[in-house]
Amino acid sequence: AQKVTQAQTEISVVEKEDVTLDCVYETRDTTYYLFWYKQPPSGELVFLIRRNSFDEQNEISGRYSWNFQKSTSSFNFTITASQVVDSAVYFCALSGPLTTSGTYKYIFGTGTRLKVLA
Amino acid sequence: DSGVTQTPKHLITATGQRVTLRCSPRSGDLSVYWYQQSLDQGLQFLIQYYNGEERAKGNILERFSAQQFPDLHSELNLSSLELGDSALYFCASSVAWGTGNTIYFGEGSWLTVV
Repeated sequence: AQKVTQAQTEISVVEKEDVTLDCVYETRDTTYYLFWYKQPPSGELVFLIRRNSFDEQNEISGRYSWNFQKSTSSFNFTITASQVVDSAVYFCALSGPLTTSGTYKYIFGTGTRLKVLA
Repeated sequence: DSGVTQTPKHLITATGQRVTLRCSPRSGDLSVYWYQQSLDQGLQFLIQYYNGEERAKGNILERFSAQQFPDLHSELNLSSLELGDSALYFCASSVAWGTGNTIYFGEGSWLTVV
């Protein structure tokens, strides 16, 4: 079965601290995709990144970086020099190949609430 | 701005009533998804349409129904509303039907049932 675990329910940091949000996934598939989304207090879900299972290169985008490790089934997200505007709930998601019921499933984690204090 | 448009943004209605949530996908996207986000249950997948056809069904109640129209906009109908239906309802879209497609979400429709 596919599963996404975000064990950190809530994290609080002080502005300018670095913070890592953990995402651990379970899947038996060899082809799958991982995503991160941000949900700020206003409520919308904002797409941040997509990574496929064959690309283990880490990615950096400004203060954001992602570390994909198949060996530990993890796709962690680090924010460097956090800012108050980073305060949001962050969701990790997994999608895999066609299921036996003929659908593609997108599995979301329960989210990590990040509070960045000024 | 994801390009996915949802209306209304906020809705307050009484128990037993029926409401319709509307969604316009991003230009060029053929697939539409509906998700429900409540405080105690996180993001729950409800249903997916691709080019007018239902493709996948999640935890959608029988009191709920949806459709995707020829112009690709979609509507989610919620009837016989209960207090527990109060939630943020997201519409999302992607270019195609299949794994790996990035799903872009709208801003959501906040439904409060009183």
